[in-house]
Amino acid sequence: EPEVTQTPSHQVTQMGQEVILRCVPISNHLYFYWYRQILGQKVEFLVSFYNNEISEKSEIFDDQFSVERPDGSNFTLKIRSTKLEDSAMYFCASSGTSGSPPEQFFGPGTRLTVL
Amino acid sequence: GENVEQHPSTLSVQEGDSAVIKCTYSDSASNYFPWYKQELGKGPQLIIDIRSNVGEKKDQRIAVTLNKTAKHFSLHITETQPEDSAVYFCRSGGSNYKLTFGKGTLLTVNP
Repeated sequence: EPEVTQTPSHQVTQMGQEVILRCVPISNHLYFYWYRQILGQKVEFLVSFYNNEISEKSEIFDDQFSVERPDGSNFTLKIRSTKLEDSAMYFCASSGTSGSPPEQFFGPGTRLTVL
Repeated sequence: GENVEQHPSTLSVQEGDSAVIKCTYSDSASNYFPWYKQELGKGPQLIIDIRSNVGEKKDQRIAVTLNKTAKHFSLHITETQPEDSAVYFCRSGGSNYKLTFGKGTLLTVNP
């Protein structure tokens, strides 16, 4: 069964450093998303991506964040200068076009720890 | 925006018993209510959903009920098994990817 994969599973970084979280969505999906979950809090929407551009973003997704689909398979989230409060679990998701709404398939997440 | 409250945060049941998880939402315009199961090391996976035009939906041992007047919906798992142990999330909102998540319920089924 096709699945969304994410790497790394755990990333530890120093405050101020740049990190790139990687995702491989399901191959025939067209919509891609990033969510985050701070420990003990709710899963929050960050950004959606379609047709090689951001279709929507939340207020959390400020200038420190960017997303890219550098090739036909990867979808990345970059945090330019990490802050302590960026520590969270980051989930990637993808969806096709059928269904209302189309079912989202989530990856296993990357745990980001900013020291 | 939408506010979703999920209870309980943890739930422990004996194998074979039923488990019920409840969510309340604030936005009366919300019309789509999915439930997700997250097993250890995996992402949330859709297990059942319900739309505002129905009050109940069932899929084998899993059912979801919706009370639009009271703005709450519940997940019911009957004849629980150890493999049902996981974190369960509700979501609420319109028919798009910005549905709001609940905080999650850790369900433990004891053999």
